[in-house]
Amino acid sequence: QSALTQPASVSGFPGQSITISCTGTSSDIGTYEYVSWYQQGPGKAPKLIVYEVNNRPSGVSIRFSGSKSGNTASLTISGLRTEDEADYYCCSHTTNIAPHVLFGGGTKLTVL
Amino acid sequence: QLQLQESGPGLVKPSETLSLTCAVSGGSISSNTFHWAWIRQPPGKGLEWIASVFYTGNTYYKPSLKSRVVISIDTSKNQFSLKVRSVTAADTAIYYCAREYRSSPETWGQGTLITVSS
Repeated sequence: QSALTQPASVSGFPGQSITISCTGTSSDIGTYEYVSWYQQGPGKAPKLIVYEVNNRPSGVSIRFSGSKSGNTASLTISGLRTEDEADYYCCSHTTNIAPHVLFGGGTKLTVL
Repeated sequence: QLQLQESGPGLVKPSETLSLTCAVSGGSISSNTFHWAWIRQPPGKGLEWIASVFYTGNTYYKPSLKSRVVISIDTSKNQFSLKVRSVTAADTAIYYCAREYRSSPETWGQGTLITVSS
């Protein structure tokens, strides 16, 4: 039941693109298309930005995109803006031991 | 517009049982499309999914917490609840309730801080 593995931090300059990885196993990311990503600003509730690997909820910028290959999912943010600075979490359905939902450990994005 | 509002005691003593409720407004909890979930976040740490429930009463739990938690749903009151027994300091966290679609919590409450301390 370990959390999905994310880098603790990533950084980039305004206008650049960055990618955050999320590594799981064949019990979760490797098998299911139920991978989502969340953005969390300081003192705020998480906000869904990508669901089912590569779908964006209404109102979420097209600068956010998701993908998956094997046991690893990725979130790419293009055209970085200062307001993108936040914590980002991946999430996946898993059947490890029993069906449930698993989060990644989180990645702090710093816009330099 | 769907809104979720958590309510809880704020402070719980070690070894006691924590009880939380999530009131849902702007939508029916009896939907056959969504699950209803509890997620927590210890101060300064990451998110941890705890459990979810369907309107039929079907439940899912994080295996490592299953022995201490119970999630339930009350369709007549349009709310769902979580009980965590035998709490310790490690259960101190912001507790969020959320509506979940295909294993993605997609609408969240604002969260309620629960502190375990004597």
